[in-house]
Amino acid sequence: EAGVAQSPRYKIIEKRQSVAFWCNPISGHATLYWYQQILGQGPKLLIQFQNNGVVDDSQLPKDRFSAERLKGVDSTLKIQPAKLEDSAVYLCASSRTGINYGYTFGSGTRLTVV
Amino acid sequence: GENVEQHPSTLSVQEGDSAVIKCTYSDSASNYFPWYKQELGKRPQLIIDIRSNVGEKKDQRIAVTLNKTAKHFSLHITETQPEDSAVYFCAASGQAGTALIFGKGTTLSVSS
Repeated sequence: EAGVAQSPRYKIIEKRQSVAFWCNPISGHATLYWYQQILGQGPKLLIQFQNNGVVDDSQLPKDRFSAERLKGVDSTLKIQPAKLEDSAVYLCASSRTGINYGYTFGSGTRLTVV
Repeated sequence: GENVEQHPSTLSVQEGDSAVIKCTYSDSASNYFPWYKQELGKRPQLIIDIRSNVGEKKDQRIAVTLNKTAKHFSLHITETQPEDSAVYFCAASGQAGTALIFGKGTTLSVSS
C-alpha cells in the first residue's frame, strides 16, 4: 500500500511569515494526526482528525496554528504568523479506526524559521 | 492526560550486548504500547507493540514486556548490531481512538 505522503519536505521562512503543510494519508485510514517533533524530543500531538471531524486539538496553539481535513481525506496544517520556536519537523500520521493500531508516519516537513 | 517517561536518554553498548529501554505511563486506562525506531532524518517506524492483555511479546531479537500494575513497559534488544543504532521512542494510548503520547526518546549507539 502507498504510504503517507507529505509536502514539502523542507521549508525555510522568516518569522512572522505564514506556511502551510500538506498530508495525504493511507487510503482507507479514517484517522489522521499531526505531530510536532522538535530536535531531540519525541513527537508531540497537535491535532487528531477522524474523517473530517476534530477529535483532539487541545495541544494546538490556536492563535497561530490551524488545520483542516476537508472531505475526510487529505489535510493541511497552517502556521500564521510563524515564530522561531516553531522550527521543527511536522509529522503526519494515519491509522485505521476501531482499535488501537500503530501509526504509519509520513516523511515529515522540516520547518526552519529564521 | 497521559504522560510517558522514558529512560535512559542515551545508551551505548558494544555489538552483541543487550540493550534495555524503560518507560512508565501515568494513565491506568492506557492499553496500547508501541515502540518506534527513528533513524537520523527519517520517519519513525513501528518495530513492535503490545496490548494490555499481554505481558510479553517477542519478534526475533526484540521483545517488549508490560507490567500493568506498576505501569511500566520495556524494550529489550538482544545481540545488538550497529544497524540498531537509532533513536527509540515508546508511546502509550488509552481507549480506542485516542492519540499516542510519546516519550522523549532514547538514543542507542552500538559500537563494533
